[in-house]
Amino acid sequence: EAQVTQNPRYLITVTGKKLTVTCSQNMNHEYMSWYRQDPGLGLRQIYYSMNVEVTDKGDVPEGYKVSRKEKRNFPLILESPSPNQTSLYFCASRDSGGPNEKLFFGSGTQLSVL
Amino acid sequence: GENVEQHPSTLSVQEGDSAVIKCTYSDSASNYFPWYKQELGKGPQLIIDIRSNVGEKKDQRIAVTLNKTAKHFSLHITETQPEDSAVYFCAASEGNTPLVFGKGTRLSVIA
Repeated sequence: EAQVTQNPRYLITVTGKKLTVTCSQNMNHEYMSWYRQDPGLGLRQIYYSMNVEVTDKGDVPEGYKVSRKEKRNFPLILESPSPNQTSLYFCASRDSGGPNEKLFFGSGTQLSVL
Repeated sequence: GENVEQHPSTLSVQEGDSAVIKCTYSDSASNYFPWYKQELGKGPQLIIDIRSNVGEKKDQRIAVTLNKTAKHFSLHITETQPEDSAVYFCAASEGNTPLVFGKGTRLSVIA
């Protein structure tokens, strides 16, 4: 089954403790992206990757890192989480046809930073 | 850059009635307008999209209309059912930049 898999689904951590949210897709998509969803703010893009070893900042990249060493994986790294990073995070992927192609989203990771 | 405004933020309708969600965009170069549906506990899923060379597109009970002159597009859901209850996001793109999403509309269909 074609899917984007994120782990974990829920994560509670404390300020300053490094964490990684994993994302994997099995559709051989070149493009992958991370979004955060906050009440009243909708979906905002954090980082995206057009292909292996190519990453770019989205609208809200501060406090986040990403890497794209393999085509299928695109982990999101919070080196020193802060309470304002408490949010619902989504990973997404699409084929290489451009922004006008269907995005496939993972099921989300609810992160709470205390 | 592109800015997408979405209204209303919440919408309640009786089962069987129609629901309309409206979005406006700022960049006249935008040419792709998808709608995503997010059910509780899940990621958003594409339900319909429209490109700038088309004024209207239908898929069973859902339809999207586009007015390029006024820079707005709308999602229409007819004969609403409880399973239509979800958060709906509109988005816009001009083809060379990532999608920009609206803030979402929470639709509740009351049985």
